[in-house]
Amino acid sequence: QVQLQESGPGLVKPSETLSLTCTVSGGPISGHYWSWIRQPAGKGLEWIGRIYSRGDTNYNPSLKSRVTMSVDTSKNQFSLKLTFVTAADTAVYYCARVGFWFDPWGQGTLVTVSS
Amino acid sequence: QSVLTQPPSVSAAPGQKVTITCSGNSSNIGNHDVSWYQQLPQTAPKLLIYDNNKRPSGIPDRFSGSKSGTSVTLGITGLQTGDEADYYCGTWDSSLSRWVFGGGTKLTVL
Repeated sequence: QVQLQESGPGLVKPSETLSLTCTVSGGPISGHYWSWIRQPAGKGLEWIGRIYSRGDTNYNPSLKSRVTMSVDTSKNQFSLKLTFVTAADTAVYYCARVGFWFDPWGQGTLVTVSS
Repeated sequence: QSVLTQPPSVSAAPGQKVTITCSGNSSNIGNHDVSWYQQLPQTAPKLLIYDNNKRPSGIPDRFSGSKSGTSVTLGITGLQTGDEADYYCGTWDSSLSRWVFGGGTKLTVL
């Protein structure tokens, strides 16, 4: 079955860029939408955006000015960049396949914004 | 403040039944299908219900979903201690142009 795994730095300095990659295994990245979702400690889920395998994107309007998503079909990976991070961006970041629901999800990766 | 409204917590005894409601408006639940996610402690969310009332393969029929107007309900029967988790509803919001989630409901099986 399809599995997702997030990877990237666990610590990012304020004002710098958060970069994460999600590797998809067990199935093709092509023909699907893929999303990033984050969850601050003890809080709920926040949708960051989605990307289609051809590169079409939709972003959360509240994050749109700082978010860029990309896809590399040759590596079966998609990525997230979030610029000018602050402590408010500290969260567990999940990647997931999305259609009219999110499934499956990656295990999540904690990103802490701190100097 | 979440766009979709869920009770912060619910509780019931083992073997009993519990329901969790999720309320929205015509821009989200009223015009889009809803999914539910179970998040066990220290784990990623997992799809529990999709299209308001459908269960993915492997989800026991103790879990059920229903929709009426701008609200949806998750039902869990025959409660087990292993059901203790946070439960989230989610759907697309066409007014906000983004996916929205409820604030989550913590289920305690006493």
